[in-house]
Amino acid sequence: GAVVSQHPSWVICKSGTSVKIECRSLDFQATTMFWYRQFPKQSLMLMATSNEGSKATYEQGVEKDKFLINHASLTLSTLTVTSAHPEDSSFYICSARELAATTFYEQYFGPGTRLTVT
Amino acid sequence: AQKITQTQPGMFVQEKEAVTLDCTYDTSDQSYGLFWYKQPSSGEMIFLIYQGSYDEQNATEGRYSLNFQKARKSANLVISASQLGDSAMYFCAMPATPLGAGSYQLTFGKGTKLSVIP
Repeated sequence: GAVVSQHPSWVICKSGTSVKIECRSLDFQATTMFWYRQFPKQSLMLMATSNEGSKATYEQGVEKDKFLINHASLTLSTLTVTSAHPEDSSFYICSARELAATTFYEQYFGPGTRLTVT
Repeated sequence: AQKITQTQPGMFVQEKEAVTLDCTYDTSDQSYGLFWYKQPSSGEMIFLIYQGSYDEQNATEGRYSLNFQKARKSANLVISASQLGDSAMYFCAMPATPLGAGSYQLTFGKGTKLSVIP
């Protein structure tokens, strides 16, 4: 089956530093990847849509200068949290849609990255 | 905009019994789909079942079935013969845009925490 990995699985950083999270599709090519954020005991909220070779589309209220997204290849998208603050502490999950997908539900989630900013 | 409502923050079920998790939705789209995902404490999102609005029969995947009532705009998940491993958060979701619009972002409900009692 289609597998999406995320690295790191958890990270602790100091306030003011930047953190990069990678999302990789391991056995398929992904034209589109989505980044979600989930605060404790809450639902997943879409942050941005990342298309290979083009700029990401951010949801309303998400600071594009703070959450930098790069989708440089068909198997890799990165989310960089710049100048992280404690309120950025959250669970970040990516999902990827397969290039060859023929059905709507062919998108696959990564295992998530837990970010803690101290 | 799509809206998903899950009114049960938490549910308990005895092992081996069936349980129904509620989900109602609001959309003006004619063509749409409903997803259910399971999120164990480890955090990964596990796809369970999908139903398109145009599907005549209720979807079934093993012990999971979707009780889809279009007129009531409800898409309840039924888990039969509950197992201890079913204890997790369950999210109902639907596409944020109409099917065929070319976007595949998902809008999630707030989730229901299911606890299976031995």
